[in-house]
Amino acid sequence: AQSVTQLDSQVPVFEEAPVELRCNYSSSVSVYLFWYVQYPNQGLQLLLKYLSGSTLVESINGFEAEFNKSQTSFHLRKPSVHISDTAEYFCAVSKNYGGSQGNLIFGKGTKLSVKP
Amino acid sequence: EPEVTQTPSHQVTQMGQEVILRCVPISNHLYFYWYRQILGQKVEFLVSFYNNEISEKSEIFDDQFSVERPDGSNFTLKIRSTKLEDSAMYFCASSYRQALNYGYTFGSGTRLTVV
Repeated sequence: AQSVTQLDSQVPVFEEAPVELRCNYSSSVSVYLFWYVQYPNQGLQLLLKYLSGSTLVESINGFEAEFNKSQTSFHLRKPSVHISDTAEYFCAVSKNYGGSQGNLIFGKGTKLSVKP
Repeated sequence: EPEVTQTPSHQVTQMGQEVILRCVPISNHLYFYWYRQILGQKVEFLVSFYNNEISEKSEIFDDQFSVERPDGSNFTLKIRSTKLEDSAMYFCASSYRQALNYGYTFGSGTRLTVV
């Protein structure tokens, strides 16, 4: 079975500071990795995903995550955060069904709070 | 951008009552899902639905739960006799295909409170 651990339930940072949201997973099979974001009163939105290839993946709004197989991690980073990045961030994995989408297994989420 | 719409946003119900949570998936999507998140816990998979039948369900999805696509646009989750522990945020999602490149689109959720 797969599991996802997000070590930090809340991360407060000041605007323009760097941030790292940690995610570790365990799985006996190959998985795909995702970060979802939930802004207040909105649904879960896909931020970025790792399927294969380059271990560093980027989103359009400056976030990046690196797949580290040896450490079974997929930490999310941003070098300089904005107030608008305040949201809850969920790490998720999905079993690798050879290109088909398995069900998502989520971590508990990390609430990022960006202060001016 | 197309959205998955869930109604109501918040529902309060008495223990033992039946409740129906409604979702309108994106119109050309073929796969439908329900997830839930109990406060302070992980988002958990409940059920997936394709071609008018359940394709997979978790152990949470017991006989108290059922899903239906009654009219080709709505996708509903029914809880027959609610328990206090059913209090959670319920998320509906849809996708066009199961291929990973298509991804899921989630709704904004229904917060169910059982009193």
